[in-house]
Amino acid sequence: NAGVTQTPKFQVLKTGQSMTLQCAQDMNHEYMSWYRQDPGMGLRLIHYSVGAGITDQGEVPNGYNVSRSTTEDFPLRLLSAAPSQTSVYFCASSSMLPGGGNTIYFGEGSWLTVV
Amino acid sequence: TQLLEQSPQFLSIQEGENLTVYCNSSSVFSSLQWYRQEPGEGPVLLVTVVTGGEVKKLKRLTFQFGDARKDSSLHITAAQTGDTGLYLCAGASNNDMRFGAGTRLTVKP
Repeated sequence: NAGVTQTPKFQVLKTGQSMTLQCAQDMNHEYMSWYRQDPGMGLRLIHYSVGAGITDQGEVPNGYNVSRSTTEDFPLRLLSAAPSQTSVYFCASSSMLPGGGNTIYFGEGSWLTVV
Repeated sequence: TQLLEQSPQFLSIQEGENLTVYCNSSSVFSSLQWYRQEPGEGPVLLVTVVTGGEVKKLKRLTFQFGDARKDSSLHITAAQTGDTGLYLCAGASNNDMRFGAGTRLTVKP
């Protein structure tokens, strides 16, 4: 019963480095999204996807890229890491768009530090 | 400024006490959800409210959606140490789900 799986759990990057946070779900959900969580800011939407081949920007997309080649996978790429991207990142999925009040399932989070 | 304002930001109480936390916005939402998040884990859905004025109960937790669908409250009766965590509200509108910053609740034995 895996649900939403994120890797890595922890990562330290140097400024300017690039990396990819992996996310996979085994619930056949169409909707997937990436959030970042910062103290006092709550969860902020970075990018989301409503199905394979379709992605769109959320509230804070700058500095991040996503792709959705399969229903299961939704990787998040940091192109050139900056200290402002130090955060906890959560991948999430749901069967339908959030507007319908559907349950959103979150991964366990990826702690990223950029030095 | 946050689209969804949660208050209080921090709350520390003794086991057995009652408490209410609030989630307020100037925006109207098609639905509102409450999540609980424990350290080192992702948020887990507690409840979804859809209709203005709706009240839902989950054991000792009572959730209410405001009549205008702009605000919500979570009331916990006889809090237990297992209720400790970060409580997040989230409002849904079209493709977007916006989260508040959360109320961090500590229930002391």
